[in-house]
Amino acid sequence: EAGVAQSPRYKIIEKRQSVAFWCNPISGHATLYWYQQILGQGPKLLIQFQNNGVVDDSQLPKDRFSAERLKGVDSTLKIQPAKLEDSAVYLCASSAGQARNTIYFGEGSWLTVV
Amino acid sequence: GQQLNQSPQSMFIQEGEDVSMNCTSSSIFNTWLWYKQEPGEGPVLLIALYKAGELTSNGRLTAQFGITRKDSFLNISASIPSDVGIYFCAARFGNEKLTFGTGTRLTIIP
Repeated sequence: EAGVAQSPRYKIIEKRQSVAFWCNPISGHATLYWYQQILGQGPKLLIQFQNNGVVDDSQLPKDRFSAERLKGVDSTLKIQPAKLEDSAVYLCASSAGQARNTIYFGEGSWLTVV
Repeated sequence: GQQLNQSPQSMFIQEGEDVSMNCTSSSIFNTWLWYKQEPGEGPVLLIALYKAGELTSNGRLTAQFGITRKDSFLNISASIPSDVGIYFCAARFGNEKLTFGTGTRLTIIP
């Protein structure tokens, strides 16, 4: 079974530039998550989708971050304009549902803002 | 927001030793999870706990869901080199979002 696919793996941009990350979840998984993991910390949920609807985006900095999952399958996370403190790993994850369903993580997209 | 206090932050042990780490919170949860993250990879689920007092094993790993529902423990017996990585606890209540601890970095000294 193919895992959660993410691209690009690495990105270096200057502050105030924009960046987009793409995620393709495990086939059939209805729930998709984007997490931000700053170096030395645990992952922090940015946004959770159930199919193509947003379940939780309470920790998404909406002035600069946006995410969509238009057809209920793959998803993009965009940052515009980027700040230095956005340097982190952006992890996409998916699960078959919520509650007891296992959350599977992708390898992450590593962002460095200079 | 909810916080999970994970300790120790880092551990340096010799191969063959047993490892213990824990996670505590001031909030009650009804699911506790333990993940391992290796360099350049995303977290991988090791053990899931769904009931207070539950003790679950996965090979050399054993985890327990605390009776108070505010803590959890992970033990690794007879550590081997491939156990190196960062171990995260995570917890949730119902369908609320998963909260992660700050991680325990495990290093094995040859």
